[in-house]
Amino acid sequence: SQTIHQWPATLVQPVGSPLSLECTVEGTSNPNLYWYRQAAGRGLQLLFYSVGIGQISSEVPQNLSASRPQDRQFILSSKKLLLSDSGFYLCAWRREMGQPQHFGDGTRLSIL
Amino acid sequence: QKEVEQNSGPLSVPEGAIASLNCTYSDRGSQSFFWYRQYSGKSPELIMFIYSNGDKEDGRFTAQLNKASQYVSLLIRDSQPSDSATYLCAVDTGGFKTIFGAGTRLFVKA
Repeated sequence: SQTIHQWPATLVQPVGSPLSLECTVEGTSNPNLYWYRQAAGRGLQLLFYSVGIGQISSEVPQNLSASRPQDRQFILSSKKLLLSDSGFYLCAWRREMGQPQHFGDGTRLSIL
Repeated sequence: QKEVEQNSGPLSVPEGAIASLNCTYSDRGSQSFFWYRQYSGKSPELIMFIYSNGDKEDGRFTAQLNKASQYVSLLIRDSQPSDSATYLCAVDTGGFKTIFGAGTRLFVKA
C-alpha cells in the first residue's frame, strides 16, 4: 500500500530564517505531487505541483520554492520566511489524473 | 476560473439525523468528484469519490452526482458527534490540478 510521510509536524521559525519541509511517498512510482497551504479556518491554497522529477509548476508567486530531486521526494523551501508564511502546510500525492489526492499529516508552521 | 462552491456553514444536526452537504462546480467538463473530511488541526482524509451520475453508497455515506445541474452532494445517515468536522468537496477537471471547495463545517449535537 501507499503511504506519505511529511515532516516535521510542527515548526517555529523566526522571521527571515530559511525553511525546508520534506515529503516522501512510498509504494508507488511517478506520482503527481502537491504542496498546499491552509490558513486557520480557510480553504486549501495550492502552492506547487509536480508531475515528474525536476518538473515544478508554481501557482502563487511568493518567496517559496519547491523541488523534486527524486521520483517520490518533494521539498518546499524558502530562503527568508515572512510572517505571512505561517500556516498549515500539506503535501499530497495522487497516482494519475482523475484519481483522488491523498494527504500527509501536515506541518504547522509558526513564524515569530 | 474553475470554481467549486460550498456553503461554509456551520451546519448543525442532532445525533441520529441525516446531514446533507452540498457542492456546485463551474466546469461542465469535470469528470471526478471527491469528498474529504478534515478534523480540526488534522489533514484532509478522503471519504468518498464518484465518477458517474447517480448515487454511490459506502456505509453511512452516500455521494450523489448530477452532472447536468453541476451539483454533487454528500449525505451522512445516522450522524454521530464524531462526524463533526469540515467536509471538503473536490473536483478534478481533467488537468493536473484538483479544485477544492472551501469546506462546510458540520456539527452533530449529542
